[in-house]
Amino acid sequence: DAMVIQNPRYQVTQFGKPVTLSCSQTLNHNVMYWYQQKSSQAPKLLFHYYDKDFNNEADTPDNFQSRRPNTSFCFLDIRSPGLGDAAMYLCATSRLRTGSSYEQYFGPGTRLTVT
Amino acid sequence: AQSVSQHNHHVILSEAASLELGCNYSYGGTVNLFWYVQYPGQHLQLLLKYFSGDPLVKGIKGFEAEFIKSKFSFNLRKPSVQWSDTAEYFCAVNPLSGGYNKLIFGAGTRLAVHP
Repeated sequence: DAMVIQNPRYQVTQFGKPVTLSCSQTLNHNVMYWYQQKSSQAPKLLFHYYDKDFNNEADTPDNFQSRRPNTSFCFLDIRSPGLGDAAMYLCATSRLRTGSSYEQYFGPGTRLTVT
Repeated sequence: AQSVSQHNHHVILSEAASLELGCNYSYGGTVNLFWYVQYPGQHLQLLLKYFSGDPLVKGIKGFEAEFIKSKFSFNLRKPSVQWSDTAEYFCAVNPLSGGYNKLIFGAGTRLAVHP
């Protein structure tokens, strides 16, 4: 089945130690998104890629970076994780980023713990 | 700033009870509206969406939602819940303000259905 896959599902890192979260998709969608969801809060968009075009949200901290080496894969890099970065990180895709049939498909998320 | 409010953070119901989850948004322009559901241990899945036309939208598993433009609301309803509806429900809004589509989520409502 076509899907959005995130690895690992659980990640533990140390304060200040760089960490990379991975997302892959078999949907062949043009757009890939990264969201941060803290406990009991709404998912918050960090950035997205439209093909190779990177779009950062205005309030996303510089500590968060992303790479998209090809259509299928997208990575979230946290350069120096702080305790406040502990959260669920959700990857999503959509075929397009405009249009009336726009819809996002989500992966299962990676729960990041910072010790 | 654009925001989405879900009035109930936790709802507990018995099977066969009726369900209504509130969702209000703050944006004066044209919007697309979504309800996503997250079953325990699973990824976010689209329940239903509204783009235009009939403001009463029917989704999967017997859910429906009504868009009331004058009230900036998009409440989710189900006449008779089942134990399998136990999940977290997220309302999301896509303000059509030009540029790319972007989802703004509410904080979610946890629904527990007791047999």
